[in-house]
Amino acid sequence: GENVEQHPSTLSVQEGDSAVIKCTYSDSASNYFPWYKQELGKRPQLIIDIRSNVGEKKDQRIAVTLNKTAKHFSLHITETQPEDSAVYFCAASYRGATNKLIFGTGTLLAVQP
Amino acid sequence: AAGVIQSPRHLIKEKRETATLKCYPIPRHDTVYWYQQGPGQDPQFLISFYEKMQSDKGSIPDRFSAQQFSDYHSELNMSSLELGDSALYFCASSLDRGDNEQFFGPGTRLTVL
Repeated sequence: GENVEQHPSTLSVQEGDSAVIKCTYSDSASNYFPWYKQELGKRPQLIIDIRSNVGEKKDQRIAVTLNKTAKHFSLHITETQPEDSAVYFCAASYRGATNKLIFGTGTLLAVQP
Repeated sequence: AAGVIQSPRHLIKEKRETATLKCYPIPRHDTVYWYQQGPGQDPQFLISFYEKMQSDKGSIPDRFSAQQFSDYHSELNMSSLELGDSALYFCASSLDRGDNEQFFGPGTRLTVL
């Protein structure tokens, strides 16, 4: 079945620095790759997503890149702020009977003021 | 804008008891997904429904069952509860089974004592 690996599991950066989180998926049929930010005890919130027909997408300080050949996708956050501190999950959509999401194991991002 | 509603928000049960979690999708959304998130874990797909029919099944124990009703709300029924069932249960909804965004509800925190 589909598997998504995510690295690193924890990431500490200074305020203003950039943060990069990487994911690898196993099923080449996957065609939708969202990124979620989750604060403790709260729901996952979509921050950006990318589809397999696009190589890069940017929204203000957040960007996502996709390499379909290598089955890699990455989240880039620039000019980090303390409020960016949270757990970030990548996910891949499994093209089967439904659009169920297979999540990576998460990255705890800590932005030090 | 209307969001996904889940009830109850918190639930405490004893081992071997039963629990029913409810999900009300965003109006006009026809697909509902259930995810289970254990402490420090990523969300795991349980089951999904499209137009009131089960469309996919993930790692859902046989002790759990779910259905989607004519008004599109969904219920997750959990019997013979075990300590390991303690988790956050998220419902998400989307419009059709394409590559569309899944909108997550606030979750139900289930604690089994």
